Amino acid sequence: SQQGEEDPQALSIQEGENATMNCSYKTSINNLQWYRQNSGRGLVHLILIRSNEREKHSGRLRVTLDTSKKSSSLLITASRAADTASYFCAYLSGNTPLVFGKGTRLSVIA
Amino acid sequence: GAGVSQSPSNKVTEKGKDVELRCDPISGHTALYWYRQSLGQGLEFLIYFQGNSAPDKSGLPSDRFSAERTGGSVSTLTIQRTQQEDSAVYLCASSTLEGLGLSEQYFGPGTRLTVT
Repeated sequence: SQQGEEDPQALSIQEGENATMNCSYKTSINNLQWYRQNSGRGLVHLILIRSNEREKHSGRLRVTLDTSKKSSSLLITASRAADTASYFCAYLSGNTPLVFGKGTRLSVIA
Repeated sequence: GAGVSQSPSNKVTEKGKDVELRCDPISGHTALYWYRQSLGQGLEFLIYFQGNSAPDKSGLPSDRFSAERTGGSVSTLTIQRTQQEDSAVYLCASSTLEGLGLSEQYFGPGTRLTVT
């Protein structure tokens, strides 16, 4: 399967702490994206990092990409209860549609 | 502006019945995708439409599943003779001309299908 894998599957932290989620994939990629999903419904795009980029920031989010290790990480700094959600990485490889991982369930406890 | 909308939001149907799920993409988005998400799982790609090109149906799990996109806008996903394993949330997404994940995808809220 080409499906990406997030690690950990579940993460529980206290409000104010940082949360780090990792994503590994198996093929060469064009870009990698991170999405958030609340309550098992629609996904919201967070950030896109292209294969020639190594790090990208958006507010409290920081994404890194290591194409040599075929991995990416999403860091959420100073987490809030509202960050509680499932986070998915998705990557584009060649002409195939986006491949989504199974997600990391993040719980931020107030 | 309006985002991607899907209807119905919830659908309960009996095994063996046919169902139709509707997706209204963002106006001007030429790429449209259907995904399926089972409980606690990631997204499973089903089908992809891009402009007037033939759709990519490589993800459809069986010939009971079909989809069409009329006038390059609204799309309907049809599941014939539903089975209990079809129970899932069906998500639709659209994106700009680049499509295929080169740009971000905008997701609808999904349709939760329950087959009893």
